[in-house]
This record gives sequence, C-alpha cells and structure tokens, in this order.
Amino acid sequence: GAVVSQHPSWVICKSGTSVKIECRSLDFQATTMFWYRQFPKQSLMLMATSNEGSKATYEQGVEKDKFLINHASLTLSTLTVTSAHPEDSSFYICSARDRASGSMGTDTQYFGPGTRLTVL
Amino acid sequence: AQSVTQLGSHVSVSEGALVLLRCNYSSSVPPYLFWYVQYPNQGLQLLLKYTSAATLVKGINGFEAEFKKSETSFHLTKPSAHMSDAAEYFCAVSDAGQGGKLIFGQGTELSVKP
Repeated sequence: GAVVSQHPSWVICKSGTSVKIECRSLDFQATTMFWYRQFPKQSLMLMATSNEGSKATYEQGVEKDKFLINHASLTLSTLTVTSAHPEDSSFYICSARDRASGSMGTDTQYFGPGTRLTVL
Repeated sequence: AQSVTQLGSHVSVSEGALVLLRCNYSSSVPPYLFWYVQYPNQGLQLLLKYTSAATLVKGINGFEAEFKKSETSFHLTKPSAHMSDAAEYFCAVSDAGQGGKLIFGQGTELSVKP
C-alpha cells in the first residue's frame, strides 16, 4: 500500500516550453501533497505544499507563476514548469501525506519515484 | 525553527560491519523524526519514524534508530551491512504546526565495500 506514482519519469524539452508533471496517490487519498526539487548530490528542497481544493503554499524564493501547482482531486496533483529554462533542469519529486489518525506531524509522507527534467 | 544535521556526507563500511549514520535535530517542540533511503534516480523510501512512542524504533531492512532527547539525536544503525544498503540516507524532522512539512538533513551517502 501507500504507493505514489509520477509521470513522466523523465522529460527533455526546449527552452521556453512548458512541462507538466503528474503526481498520483494510487491506493490512498492525499489531502496534502508536497513538491520537492533535488539537485545532484544534494538534499531535497521543498518547493510548495499542495492542498486539495485550495491554492498551493509556496516556500520562500519559489516563483509561483513559474511553478504552477494544481491539486484538483484527492489523488492527483500536477506541477507545471512554465517557460522552462536550462536552470530549471533538476530532479522533481512529489510526496503525498497519508492522513493517519494522529496529528499532522506524525503522518507519513510517501514519495513518488521522481521526474528528471532536462531543459535544452 | 526546526533543523536537522547529518554528520558525515559520506560513510564507507565493509560488508558485514556495523552501519551508523548520525542525525542531530533542533526543535522547540517535541519532534517527529524520520529516516528515508534514496537509491540512484529514485524517490525516497521510508525506513522508520519516531512519533513519541518507543524511543527505539525498528524499521525495514534491519535498520533501527534510537531517539535520545538529552543528546537531540536520532542515529540510524544496522548491525551488519549488505551491499544492497549502498544508497543515500536522509534524516528528516516534521512539525505538526507547519502542516506536516518535512525538513531534511543534507544526506549521507553510504558505501559498502565487499
């Protein structure tokens, strides 16, 4: 159980184009999903928190107009990188919070396999 | 603000040897702590989590971690390393007051020598 998928697993695009990445919780409902970015040999950097049916909350320094997040259902969140440039090339990982009976902090985040974005 | 520090960006052990990956945290509230493992070009897999129950937490693949409040530590151990344990390991802290956001440490790359 608690499987999260991401699509696509990798994508190559030209500079100036937009790319959409999907994150799905396959066997549980996720009221909250998180989007991370990871550079080579580095840790995960939280970009935004996505709540079903409401606007995403972006971390400081993350451009919300560039990284559009939509969480239209309890099992799907999408990240769209608009007008992508080479510096947006990175590994993007989503996670979904499985809502347990305890407090929010104890809920486990289950991670997707990641999407490798390369912008030429 | 909460933070996590992983001591040692790279740890190398021989197959069969003890694995010890260090994690120290800073939190003004009782922390919830997690260890995740990441294999190359993959997402993160939960190894174990501490949520204020037992201080010694057992996880998957033979790993365990002990929460020590006096030392603000949550070190990850495994008695005998396998080649398949070679991966990147991340310690993370979560705060219910922040909507369950995870704050990650810098990561520790574990190498296992035959």
